[in-house]
Amino acid sequence: TQLLEQSPQFLSIQEGENLTVYCNSSSVFSSLQWYRQEPGEGPVLLVTVVTGGEVKKLKRLTFQFGDARKDSSLHITAAQPGDTGLYLCAGYVRDTGFQKLVFGTGTRLLVSP
Amino acid sequence: DAGITQSPRHKVTETGTPVTLRCHQTENHRYMYWYRQDPGHGLRLIHYSYGVKDTDKGEVSDGYSVSRSKTEDFLLTLESATSSQTSVYFCAISPVISSYNEQFFGPGTRLTVL
Repeated sequence: TQLLEQSPQFLSIQEGENLTVYCNSSSVFSSLQWYRQEPGEGPVLLVTVVTGGEVKKLKRLTFQFGDARKDSSLHITAAQPGDTGLYLCAGYVRDTGFQKLVFGTGTRLLVSP
Repeated sequence: DAGITQSPRHKVTETGTPVTLRCHQTENHRYMYWYRQDPGHGLRLIHYSYGVKDTDKGEVSDGYSVSRSKTEDFLLTLESATSSQTSVYFCAISPVISSYNEQFFGPGTRLTVL
């Protein structure tokens, strides 16, 4: 059972287009994180959203945490080839007293020049 | 970049053979993790460590064991590799544990079990 579902699984767009990636769950999270992973490398944290309804912007990337803290979205404006990669949402769940990070299924983005 | 190295980076082995993957950190972080990454599953936690000689199971621990004899090293062992363990394995570290902290990932080890 996947706790965090991402959509779409794969997205191929042209440079300059806008896109949105979604991360959904039936569970409530105290926070959600977004990581980006490039081929041959490990994931790197982009942002952590903490408050329901929170919006964070990193240059052309806009992250939103749902009001109910069950979902999040990543919007990229005017995508560039450098945005190509695997985008993963993740959230912590408490299991036997330990906070464990669970990951979404991932969205693979390809931006062509 | 966080100082995390994984070795080997690539390995091909045969079913039934033992395999050990090594994660080495220079950050002196307390917490270390092993994940596997497979298409359609994201990353799944195999085992984690919250200190020297202190380890526990994650979501997909069957067929895997770990050891941590020093702060900087976390070993993942497949006692008898199976084809279902073909995957990319990532080590991660973090200085603290909370519902907000960042985990820093190594470059990964691609393991193929024939």
